[in-house]
Amino acid sequence: GDSVTQMEGPVTLSEEAFLTINCTYTATGYPSLFWYVQYPGEGLQLLLKATKADDKGSNKGFEATYRKETTSFHLEKGSVQVSDSAVYFCALSGDSGAGSYQLTFGKGTKLSVIP
Amino acid sequence: EPEVTQTPSHQVTQMGQEVILRCVPISNHLYFYWYRQILGQKVEFLVSFYNNEISEKSEIFDDQFSVERPDGSNFTLKIRSTKLEDSAMYFCASSEAEYGAHNEQFFGPGTRLTVL
Repeated sequence: GDSVTQMEGPVTLSEEAFLTINCTYTATGYPSLFWYVQYPGEGLQLLLKATKADDKGSNKGFEATYRKETTSFHLEKGSVQVSDSAVYFCALSGDSGAGSYQLTFGKGTKLSVIP
Repeated sequence: EPEVTQTPSHQVTQMGQEVILRCVPISNHLYFYWYRQILGQKVEFLVSFYNNEISEKSEIFDDQFSVERPDGSNFTLKIRSTKLEDSAMYFCASSEAEYGAHNEQFFGPGTRLTVL
């Protein structure tokens, strides 16, 4: 079945540091890939998405590129802020051929940014 | 901006009791989902729903669970006889499409269920 493996935290960075959170996946066909963010005490918010190979999703300074050759979707941000402290989840959903559209999540990576 | 809403935000119940968790999806969305997140663990898929039918369900979604769209706006998850291990955050989500350009799922804030 489909699966998502992401770098486990926690990750602690100083403000303005560069962030990378690794995510790799196993799936049939051409899944869509997502990053969701969960701020303390809140629900899941969609951060960015990519639906086909070589697509780059971006939002709020975060970026991730859909790499089919390495089955990866790593999340990056050039300069993190304290307000980015949250748990980040990588997720995938199947394509029309796979017939399964549920989101499969990674375990989540807790990011703490210190001033 | 449209959003998914869920009520209640926190539900405490005794083991063996029935609970109903309520969700109002985004109004033009056609696909609805329930997920749960046990404290400290990953988010797990429970069920998806389209055109008044379950389209997919996980192994977790056994006979004690049911879903319903009782009217044009609400989407409910019923747990018939709660167990201690049902304690979790339950998230409702909705999407415009299942795949393609509008397949992103938008999540509600969650209902924290505590079974005593």
